[in-house]
Amino acid sequence: HSALTQPASVSGSPGQSITISCTGTSSDFGTFNYVSWYQQHPGKAPKLMIYEVTNRPSGVSNRFSGSKSGNTASLTISGLQAEDEGDYYCSSYTSSSTYVFGTGTKVTVL
Amino acid sequence: EVQLVESGGGLVQPGGSLRLSCAASGFTFNTYTMNWVRQAPGKGLEWLSYMSSSSSVIKYADSVKGRFTISRDNAKNSLYLQMNSLRAEDTAVYYCARDSPWGGTLDYWGQGTLVTVSS
Repeated sequence: HSALTQPASVSGSPGQSITISCTGTSSDFGTFNYVSWYQQHPGKAPKLMIYEVTNRPSGVSNRFSGSKSGNTASLTISGLQAEDEGDYYCSSYTSSSTYVFGTGTKVTVL
Repeated sequence: EVQLVESGGGLVQPGGSLRLSCAASGFTFNTYTMNWVRQAPGKGLEWLSYMSSSSSVIKYADSVKGRFTISRDNAKNSLYLQMNSLRAEDTAVYYCARDSPWGGTLDYWGQGTLVTVSS
């Protein structure tokens, strides 16, 4: 499984909404909806933001939401804030029972 | 509080070996599948391997199959990664990560340990 495809960068002004796409194949996404999104700040470990396509872990702001259509998953950040700057990675549990990550997207708050 | 603490990284020559450890606390380690993920400098995340709670199921990424070996000691709440025949392209921060209780998600990550392969 090659890496899932994400845009290299996305930017927005404070208060705006942005959407990050994550594209793969049907085997990348498997038969389960095990798509996750991770936020990573420089020098820090990734943090789980969305799991199973749409679910937020406890403590994650409801400004983060996920969706999936066909072989493309998406992460939307609404009401963009300075603290949302960082790198974002999608991930999927594949039909081969392995994990695959996206190429990563750098989010910049203008 | 879930904590994962990696150790064992450092500088190693090409062709050399290194063993990474991940000490887990704050949860019942012997009931969770555990993973290793790495990130080369300035690059993205790459999943490497997982081992089920009872060690009965093991998976590897093709990039490390035959060179890396995952193992665990449930009595010591520890996960390990034995890395052999190291190459320059193995230079990365290595993270251990816990599989979620429902599976298919890596819900907690350690802070990582840096492995540098260079002569």
